[in-house]
Amino acid sequence: GQSLEQPSEVTAVEGAIVQINCTYQTSGFYGLSWYQQHDGGAPTFLSYNALDGLEETGRFSSFLSRSDSYGYLLLQELQMKDSASYFCAVRGLGQGGKLIFGQGTELSVKP
Amino acid sequence: DGGITQSPKYLFRKEGQNVTLSCEQNLNHDAMYWYRQDPGQGLRLIYYSQIVNDFQKGDIAEGYSVSREKKESFPLTVTSAQKNPTAFYLCASSIGGTSGNTIYFGEGSWLTVV
Repeated sequence: GQSLEQPSEVTAVEGAIVQINCTYQTSGFYGLSWYQQHDGGAPTFLSYNALDGLEETGRFSSFLSRSDSYGYLLLQELQMKDSASYFCAVRGLGQGGKLIFGQGTELSVKP
Repeated sequence: DGGITQSPKYLFRKEGQNVTLSCEQNLNHDAMYWYRQDPGQGLRLIYYSQIVNDFQKGDIAEGYSVSREKKESFPLTVTSAQKNPTAFYLCASSIGGTSGNTIYFGEGSWLTVV
């Protein structure tokens, strides 16, 4: 089976940097993805790590370490509009394409 | 514009009724998914389909049924056997296979039991 763990809530101030961690237990997977969801809306894709290391996309970066079963999403220069829920997700090997999500981290950005 | 269309946006169901949520995509994606989200919770997989005329149960398939007769359509029926159906339902699609790591979501359907 697979499970992904994330902190339930994170609070930060505008302009700051915040890191959202994701630890996982899985027998193998193709990569780690991150999605953003605003209240009442649909999740949207942010980032994907197929290999270990850091992927950077503008203010957002994502990191994966398979040896540590760990990944994180890094948000820089926080803006109020970044207040949302963030989900990590994996597609397991031999799982027929099934994409499994973590429980999500609610980020609150304060002025 | 390409995308995923879910309907209806809001739906009310009486006890004992079956209801069907529609999901249509024009992205030419092979894979389609249905997730359930309860308030303040993550996304749980109900059913997924990698190809037309084939689908597999997800983690919480009991009380739900699906069909995949056309590539672009993946309707979800919430049956009377689903005892707690009030939730936000999200349909999604992806290219498919192991390369489809990015999935695209519809705007969701809110189902409430009255």
